[in-house]
Amino acid sequence: GEKVEQHESTLSVREGDSAVINCTYTDTASSYFPWYKQEAGKGLHFVIDIRSNVDRKQSQRLIVLLDKKAKRFSLHITATQPEDSAIYFCAASLNTGNYKYVFGAGTRLKVIA
Amino acid sequence: ETAVFQTPNYHVTQVGNEVSFNCKQTLGHDTMYWYKQDSKKLLKIMFSYNNKQLIVNETVPRRFSPQSSDKAHLNLRIKSVEPEDSAVYLCASSPQNTLYFGAGTRLSVL
Repeated sequence: GEKVEQHESTLSVREGDSAVINCTYTDTASSYFPWYKQEAGKGLHFVIDIRSNVDRKQSQRLIVLLDKKAKRFSLHITATQPEDSAIYFCAASLNTGNYKYVFGAGTRLKVIA
Repeated sequence: ETAVFQTPNYHVTQVGNEVSFNCKQTLGHDTMYWYKQDSKKLLKIMFSYNNKQLIVNETVPRRFSPQSSDKAHLNLRIKSVEPEDSAVYLCASSPQNTLYFGAGTRLSVL
């Protein structure tokens, strides 16, 4: 089955710098890659996703890149702010209608003011 | 704005007891899920229901059983809890791909 590896377990950046979180996956059939943010004591909150028909997507300060050949995708947070501090999870799943998401282990991002 | 409601927030119990967790979503989604998040923050899917029908049932011990009365509710019952059941249980719903999570129920088994 699908395995998702999230490479950075912790990441510290200075406010205003960029943060990059990298994930790799194993199943070439995976085609949907969402990212979620979890703040302390809360559930996960969707932040951005990318589908396999594109290799880049941007939403304000968030950019997701997908390299299908390398089976790698990454989240770039530009101009980081203290409120970006949280745990970020990447995930992979098959096409729409498949209800199984495999999550990475999470990256704890700390933005230092 | 929270639209997936879980109760209780916390539950402390002893080995061998039975517990039930409730989840309700007000988003009108057809699909609901239960995930287990362990102490290392690892997330594993346990169950998924679509319109009250079980569609995903991962390898979880038989003491776990989901219960769905309608598509807005998905409860989780654990019969005879064990220490390894200590975790945060996250309920979620989705229209298609995006998951909307509740705040979780933290279970501590003494």
